[in-house]
This record gives sequence, structure tokens and C-alpha cells, in this order.
Amino acid sequence: QQQVKQSPQSLIVQKGGISIINCAYENTAFDYFPWYQQFPGKGPALLIAIRPDVSEKKEGRFTISFNKSAKQFSLHIMDSQPGDSATYFCAAQLQGGSEKLVFGKGTKLTVNP
Amino acid sequence: NAGVTQTPKFRILKIGQSMTLQCTQDMNHNYMYWYRQDPGMGLKLIYYSVGAGITDKGEVPNGYNVSRSTTEDFPLRLELAAPSQTSVYFCASSYGAVQPQHFGDGTRLSIL
Repeated sequence: QQQVKQSPQSLIVQKGGISIINCAYENTAFDYFPWYQQFPGKGPALLIAIRPDVSEKKEGRFTISFNKSAKQFSLHIMDSQPGDSATYFCAAQLQGGSEKLVFGKGTKLTVNP
Repeated sequence: NAGVTQTPKFRILKIGQSMTLQCTQDMNHNYMYWYRQDPGMGLKLIYYSVGAGITDKGEVPNGYNVSRSTTEDFPLRLELAAPSQTSVYFCASSYGAVQPQHFGDGTRLSIL
């Protein structure tokens, strides 16, 4: 199975709050899990990525949590800001250096001032 | 530094027409990709290339063709445009297989 399931489809958070986006996968051969951020009218851009040998990776206000046994990973945005309002995509890539990324369907995040 | 450049930004086609979406990158990346993005559906891989002269199908290749004659350019050809091909098309490139993909700003294509 190549599917990556992402939830929620949309999320509204108040400024300063925590935004949490979840993804789940079935294929245990996935071994690279990036998150992309997309602003309206622009292409996606890599935000942060993790491999399954670590359970958490933090970059500034953005943290990926990874649960290998549950086949789930999530993005946490701490102290959410209006400038974080964008669509976020999780993705997964097969081990062995496969060129193909499988994307989730995206989460539209709105951070209210 | 331009990165990945896509042209045109917008286009309206009639059913049955053909066109080529242009993509060029100036980062000397070997890997290039074409995706389509439909509302609420994420990004679907159409075709990809691991180097000049080498292309392969992605998840949704039907109705499209690609070529890769140079490292910089990776055009996507639509033959006999159909309404189902109305979408936003993104080109991306990466240095290697498991490396960040750099995306262009997309071509918004409507087929009426």
C-alpha cells in the first residue's frame, strides 16, 4: 500500500496556540517522512523531515513526533502565528532511495490573530 | 538564484488541444518531477526523471508525455486535452533521490 492518510483536512488555531497535524501510513518500507508547507499561489517547500530511527525532531517551533510501532507521525507547531497559515502536507518515501514521494491530502491551517 | 521556473503560470485550453508546460531549473539537479495538485487530493506524481535521457512513469501518467534532453529542462506535454486534466501542475527538482524537492510556483491549467 502506498497511501498516506492525513488529518484533519482543516484546522483553525488561535495565535499562540499549538497546531497538531497527524499522518498514518501502512507500508513499513517507508523510511523517510518529510513535511511540506505551501502558501497560496506558491509551490510546496520542505519544512522538516524525519527518519524512523528517531522518535522526535525539533526545528524551532516545528516538531515531528514519530511512532514507528503505530505507523503514525505528526507535526506540532508551537506558539502558532498568523504567518504559519498555509497548507501542510506530510509525505513518505520508500527505503532504498526510491525517487517517489507519496503525499497526504493536506491540511489547511488558519491561525487567527 | 531562480531555482525551478515554470511557464506559463496560467492557461486555458479547449478540449482536444495540446500544449507543453515548461520547466527549467538552474541548480544542476539530476532528479526532476512533475506533479498535479487537485483540491483536497494532495500531489500526485505524473512523471519523473533521474537524469538527462531517462524518464519514468509516476502514479498518474495517462494523457501526458515527457522528455529530458538536458539536465536543466523537463517539459510536460499534454496531447488531446480533456476536462479531467484541469489542475495545478508543479515541477520539482532534487539533488538526489532522498533529498529535499524544490518546487516551482505551478501552472494553473483549465480545460473547457
